[in-house]
Amino acid sequence: LAKTTQPISMDSYEGQEVNITCSHNNIATNDYITWYQQFPSQGPRFIIQGYKTKVTNEVASLFIPADRKSSTLSLPRVSLSDTAVYYCLVGDNPGGGADGLTFGKGTHLIIQP
Amino acid sequence: DAGVTQSPTHLIKTRGQQVTLRCSPKSGHDTVSWYQQALGQGPQFIFQYYEEEERQRGNFPDRFSGHQFPNYSSELNVNALLLGDSALYLCASSLAYGTDFLAGNQPQHFGDGTRLSIL
Repeated sequence: LAKTTQPISMDSYEGQEVNITCSHNNIATNDYITWYQQFPSQGPRFIIQGYKTKVTNEVASLFIPADRKSSTLSLPRVSLSDTAVYYCLVGDNPGGGADGLTFGKGTHLIIQP
Repeated sequence: DAGVTQSPTHLIKTRGQQVTLRCSPKSGHDTVSWYQQALGQGPQFIFQYYEEEERQRGNFPDRFSGHQFPNYSSELNVNALLLGDSALYLCASSLAYGTDFLAGNQPQHFGDGTRLSIL
């Protein structure tokens, strides 16, 4: 069963780079790592997904070490609008059940002026 | 390109009643999953539908049931409502089912949910 551990909360300032790390020690060989962003009263929004090494898109980068037991979401030059809860989701295959699809409590990121 | 839409946005029920929530997936998606999100918690997986059948199920009682229609839209039904069923109910669609879904190799697209309050 793949479970994830993230910091409960983080603070930063506008213009800074923010790195949020997620631990997933029991990740299975075929599992992907996906990060979502959620604002209050909205559904989660896909940010980025990866399997190994580094993935970059227009909003974020995802760093995955060789052992894949953790991953780091990097948000460059954050703004106030990046204040949200960030979830790391790891697949659960072949965990024998769907519990691994359940999100953890996420990281509440607060950006200050 | 229409995203995932859910209805209603808010709903108030009393204990013991039954409720039906509705979801239309993102255009081009054929798999629908339902999640329950209690206040301050992450979404908890309820079940997934593909080709009008329940394919995966999380740790939820039989009071939670669903349906998928030929046009890929879906309903979530909850019977004998309890106070603890108060939550935001999220629908997500994707192109993955089965082992691909469990591996998480396709991102899910979420609606903004239905806020269900039980009095």
